[in-house]
Amino acid sequence: DAGVTQSPTHLIKTRGQQVTLRCSPKSGHDTVSWYQQALGQGPQFIFQYYEEEERQRGNFPDRFSGHQFPNYSSELNVNALLLGDSALYLCASSMPGQGTHEQYFGPGTRLTVT
Amino acid sequence: AQSVTQLDSQVPVFEEAPVELRCNYSSSVSVYLFWYVQYPNQGLQLLLKYLSGSTLVKGINGFEAEFNKSQTSFHLRKPSVHISDTAEYFCAVKKKSSGDKLTFGTGTRLAVRP
Repeated sequence: DAGVTQSPTHLIKTRGQQVTLRCSPKSGHDTVSWYQQALGQGPQFIFQYYEEEERQRGNFPDRFSGHQFPNYSSELNVNALLLGDSALYLCASSMPGQGTHEQYFGPGTRLTVT
Repeated sequence: AQSVTQLDSQVPVFEEAPVELRCNYSSSVSVYLFWYVQYPNQGLQLLLKYLSGSTLVKGINGFEAEFNKSQTSFHLRKPSVHISDTAEYFCAVKKKSSGDKLTFGTGTRLAVRP
């Protein structure tokens, strides 16, 4: 059983560009959450998708947007990149209906903005 | 809103010694509590969780944690650490009432020395 997968592993972009990160959830999971982890910090919640809709959102600007597909995979898009967007972006999947309250994390995408 | 404080940014310890990583939280509503571990260049792995019941919970790799409601703490312990326990440890909370959003602390770097 494959766990949560993310692509790409690493990415280097220039300020002002746009980026798309991808996530495939663990088999059987229907909910995907995205987190940003800056260097030396704990992960910060960006948003969560369920049934192809954004269900919750953290304190991130509209430059951060997402999408969930019918197969539950998800994309995170960031427009007009800033140097401060450099971070590890983590995807987590879950199945809230199971009642375990567990989230399974992928290995992350390391984004560097120059 | 919830917040999590991890009082120690770094904890150096010798191999086979006991260790305690401290976590305090603040929340106006009831929460679930989690400890995650992050090995270098990897995503987060769930160590253990407290949902209800016994306040002493046991997790993987010999770790355990005790929930103390009066002190709003959820400290992580291991009686004898191994070199392979060297990693970043994150305490996190989630509101019982709704959603899957995790709020993380800033992490504690456990450095096990031979």
